Amino acid sequence: AQTVTQSQPEMSVQEAETVTLSCTYDTSESDYYLFWYKQPPSRQMILVIRQEAYKQQNATENRFSVNFQKAAKSFSLKISDSQLGDAAMYFCAYRRMRGGADGLTFGKGTHLIIQP
Amino acid sequence: DVKVTQSSRYLVKRTGEKVFLECVQDMDHENMFWYRQDPGLGLRLIYFSYDVKMKEKGDIPEGYSVSREKKERFSLILESASTNQTSMYLCASRRGGESADTQYFGPGTRLTVL
Repeated sequence: AQTVTQSQPEMSVQEAETVTLSCTYDTSESDYYLFWYKQPPSRQMILVIRQEAYKQQNATENRFSVNFQKAAKSFSLKISDSQLGDAAMYFCAYRRMRGGADGLTFGKGTHLIIQP
Repeated sequence: DVKVTQSSRYLVKRTGEKVFLECVQDMDHENMFWYRQDPGLGLRLIYFSYDVKMKEKGDIPEGYSVSREKKERFSLILESASTNQTSMYLCASRRGGESADTQYFGPGTRLTVL
């Protein structure tokens, strides 16, 4: 079974600075997808960024980027120029490519605090 | 604009009651999911469905059942609610196939079982 581990229950960063959230996972699959989701205090979960395991290039979405290390099974999220609106729970998630209907396997989450 | 709606934001039920949580999506998605979210545990998959009347158990199906009679609607059923089912329940949907499409989540239902 796949597992996703987020070792940082809580992180704090000053506004405008950069923060990196860690995620490691365990799988025997070679093809899979990785995601970072954000859940603000309003509770609606939204996608931040996704990575296909077969792509070597790290995904980037504006201020959000990932460091995907397939051999190390590591998938960290970097948030640059942190803003107050970035404060939320962040969840790392995994889904295998085969078996298209599969749900996501989530980590336990990291609570990100933005200090003004 | 994609939308997943859940019938209630907050629900309070008594132990032993039968509870229905309803989820509707308007994106014509084939796949629908029910998760429960607990502090310190993240989200855990209860059941999912890849087509009308089709369902598969997730990681924690015990004590739950589901129903999908129409493509847009996926119901989670607690046959006899227990206090350990007090939790936040999140519904999600996703287009079918093996692409990297995201799951779209509903706002959640906070269920308290007394």
